[in-house]
Amino acid sequence: DIQMTQSPSTLSASVGDRLTITCRATQSISDWLAWYQQKPGRAPKLLIYKASSLQSGVPSRFSGSGSGTEFTLTISSLQPDDFATYYCQQYNSYSLTFGGGTKVEIK
Amino acid sequence: QLVETGGGLIQPGGSLRLSCAASGFIVSSNYMSWVRQAPGRGLEWVSVIYGGDNTYYADSVKGRFTISRDSSKNTLYLQMTSLRVEDTAVYYCVRGGRLARFDYWGQGTLVTVSS
Repeated sequence: DIQMTQSPSTLSASVGDRLTITCRATQSISDWLAWYQQKPGRAPKLLIYKASSLQSGVPSRFSGSGSGTEFTLTISSLQPDDFATYYCQQYNSYSLTFGGGTKVEIK
Repeated sequence: QLVETGGGLIQPGGSLRLSCAASGFIVSSNYMSWVRQAPGRGLEWVSVIYGGDNTYYADSVKGRFTISRDSSKNTLYLQMTSLRVEDTAVYYCVRGGRLARFDYWGQGTLVTVSS
């Protein structure tokens, strides 16, 4: 199975900060990579698909990049609503896998 | 919209069937998955069904869980048998699978396996 490793696992930041979260795959997944945001007690929400495509309705401060085995999620200017946990996911193989998550906390 | 039902408290070794009623799209025309999240933990993909009832399972549930769908009811199911304490989690029904992003999620249903 393809393993996904996210870093950092926790990130402390302030409103207005620029954030970057990294996700690495153990083998090439082309650009079949998605990013999700999850808040406590809620289902995950799709932010980015196909590594860099913004899901409809998601603010443009979110962006994704990468291909092969290295990917990043960037939040250009952190807003109060963005404090949450973020997961990457590969959907290149039939056995899909998620990263371990990155919790974005208020500094 | 996806609405899961069927969760609850079950003893180890027991069985439970989760249901997921879909509206707004056709279950049988899409990849449909189950994803779970143990308390305080990350997301774990469990199973997918697509095409002519093709299925895949995570190693952790293979041989114990069965995914299926009923086209007449536009509903997805997850039959869980030989349940273990480590199966305790919120189970989400999701539209998506291989090469298909997970764009619609249900609200989740909690399964607690405990004696």
